[in-house]
Amino acid sequence: DQQVKQNSPSLSVQEGRISILNCDYTNSMFDYFLWYKKYPAEGPTFLISISSIKDKNEDGRFTVFLNKSAKHLSLHIVPSQPGDSAVYFCAASAAIQTGANNLFFGTGTRLTVIP
Amino acid sequence: ETGVTQTPRHLVMGMTNKKSLKCEQHLGHNAMYWYKQSAKKPLELMFVYNFKEQTENNSVPSRFSPECPNSSHLFLHLHTLQPEDSALYLCASAGAGSQSQPQHFGDGTRLSIL
Repeated sequence: DQQVKQNSPSLSVQEGRISILNCDYTNSMFDYFLWYKKYPAEGPTFLISISSIKDKNEDGRFTVFLNKSAKHLSLHIVPSQPGDSAVYFCAASAAIQTGANNLFFGTGTRLTVIP
Repeated sequence: ETGVTQTPRHLVMGMTNKKSLKCEQHLGHNAMYWYKQSAKKPLELMFVYNFKEQTENNSVPSRFSPECPNSSHLFLHLHTLQPEDSALYLCASAGAGSQSQPQHFGDGTRLSIL
């Protein structure tokens, strides 16, 4: 059973507008969340993270929002740029588990930013 | 340069072959991971090594055999694979035991089983 879900396989956004990527999780023990970005023929690269003690974390154009009660997080990219076109993976971990940073991944959302 | 290097990038092998995938990291990390990514599926954690000791085997068939001779190197030995094992195999490394240290991934080995 998939514990981290990204229900939108793809998203297209005009350059300069906001991109919002969504992620839902089912395991209430998850307390750390990450977003990774993946270009074709490359491995995922870390983008931004958030601990469950926060509800927002911002890094430049990227902001992650966490709603623990809804078990939902989102990644906002504003303004979106053509170079942001990639597959974005949501991941989660639980400190209580044996390996504190063992990650559970979603299936990814392919973002296309249209110039 | 991601700091995590995987070789080979592509591998085609028959079901009776034996081959190995290699992963090397120069980030000073003490945790290393093998993941499998199949089409339209999330990354699946296969094995975890912390300080060269295997701490996780996520119900992976024995035809996959990991080896971690030191904290910088990780191997995945392959033997008698099945067509459904065709996938992208990703290696990652991180600071051991800390959630706040994100995993760094290599570019993967694309494996095709004939």
